[in-house]
Amino acid sequence: AQRVTQPEKLLSVFKGAPVELKCNYSYSGSPELFWYVQYSRQRLQLLLRHISRESIKGFTADLNKGETSFHLKKPFAQEEDSAMYYCALRSTGFQKLVFGTGTRLLVSP
Amino acid sequence: NAGVTQTPKFQVLKTGQSMTLQCAQDMNHNSMYWYRQDPGMGLRLIYYSASEGTTDKGEVPNGYNVSRLNKREFSLRLESAAPSQTSVYFCASSEGQEPNEKLFFGSGTQLSVL
Repeated sequence: AQRVTQPEKLLSVFKGAPVELKCNYSYSGSPELFWYVQYSRQRLQLLLRHISRESIKGFTADLNKGETSFHLKKPFAQEEDSAMYYCALRSTGFQKLVFGTGTRLLVSP
Repeated sequence: NAGVTQTPKFQVLKTGQSMTLQCAQDMNHNSMYWYRQDPGMGLRLIYYSASEGTTDKGEVPNGYNVSRLNKREFSLRLESAAPSQTSVYFCASSEGQEPNEKLFFGSGTQLSVL
């Protein structure tokens, strides 16, 4: 069965500090992994996906199949990064997207 | 650009009442989804529709029914609401062609069942 684990409910950092939001998954096949973000009073939206290997708003995420992880990283956090972050997994061939429980990132000045 | 539109935005029900949450998308997407969001539990899939005319159960379908009325619309019905269904409900859509495609979300419906 597909499962996504985000072990931290809340991550609180100061502006300019590095950030790493953890995501581990369990799936035996080849997963498609995503990070979605929900800013205050905004819709849930895609932040990045592993297949794109892109950096969005300074965030990157590398798929580590050996550790079954897809951690989200940013070297210098900004206050506007404060939001709820969800890691999500879609198994190849299936339509449904399974989400983790989310991590709230709070960046203080 | 409307994207995914959900109605209503807020609703309060009494236990046992019924209601339908409406969702429409104007992006000509094939796939549509209903999720519920609860504190500490993230987003859980209730039902999804891979294409017009098909619906499938997600992780938490009990107590809900869905209708894919046409390609644009995907409604979620609570036949007899229970306090455990108090949640924020999100509708989403995607093109439905590729595993790595993104979902577009509506703004949510906050439902309270007393």
